[in-house]
Amino acid sequence: TQLLEQSPQFLSIQEGENLTVYCNSSSVFSSLQWYRQEPGEGPVLLVTVVTGGEVKKLKRLTFQFGDARKDSSLHITAAQPGDTGLYLCAGDHPGGGADGLTFGKGTHLIIQP
Amino acid sequence: NAGVTQTPKFRVLKTGQSMTLLCAQDMNHEYMYWYRQDPGMGLRLIHYSVGEGTTAKGEVPDGYNVSRLKKQNFLLGLESAAPSQTSVYFCASSYSRRAEAFFGQGTRLTVV
Repeated sequence: TQLLEQSPQFLSIQEGENLTVYCNSSSVFSSLQWYRQEPGEGPVLLVTVVTGGEVKKLKRLTFQFGDARKDSSLHITAAQPGDTGLYLCAGDHPGGGADGLTFGKGTHLIIQP
Repeated sequence: NAGVTQTPKFRVLKTGQSMTLLCAQDMNHEYMYWYRQDPGMGLRLIHYSVGEGTTAKGEVPDGYNVSRLKKQNFLLGLESAAPSQTSVYFCASSYSRRAEAFFGQGTRLTVV
């Protein structure tokens, strides 16, 4: 069972456009993290959201945690080629053991110049 | 500040050969993880450790063994490599289960 569903799987848009990607689950998470992974590199943390309804901004990126802490979204304004990468969400499941975060399969984002 | 370092970065193995992947972290983290990443499958946890001398199975442990003899090192072994183990392997470490995971650059392994 995939605890975290990310959509869309692939997204290719032109530079300057806005976009939103989603991370959904039927389970409640204590916290949720967003990572970006560039080709040939490991994932790097962008943000952690903890409180239901929380909104965090990182320059042109806006992250929101759903009120029920079951879902999250990442909105990018005026996308740039440097935003290209694989975006992964990862959650800390309240009933989980010591095996760390649960990762979604990711959204592959390509921003074309 | 090196963070998490994986060696080697690339390797080609013949079916049946063995090898060890080394992960080293300099952040004094208790938790360390080995993942494999395959197209369409995302990151899947192979084994993990919650401290020196401890190891535990993750989602896809078959065909792999691990050891954590020193807090800073986490080794992943393949005793008899199979083509199905062709993948990109990532090591990660974290301060706690909920905390940010720091990843290495990955090891691209091809088994022919």
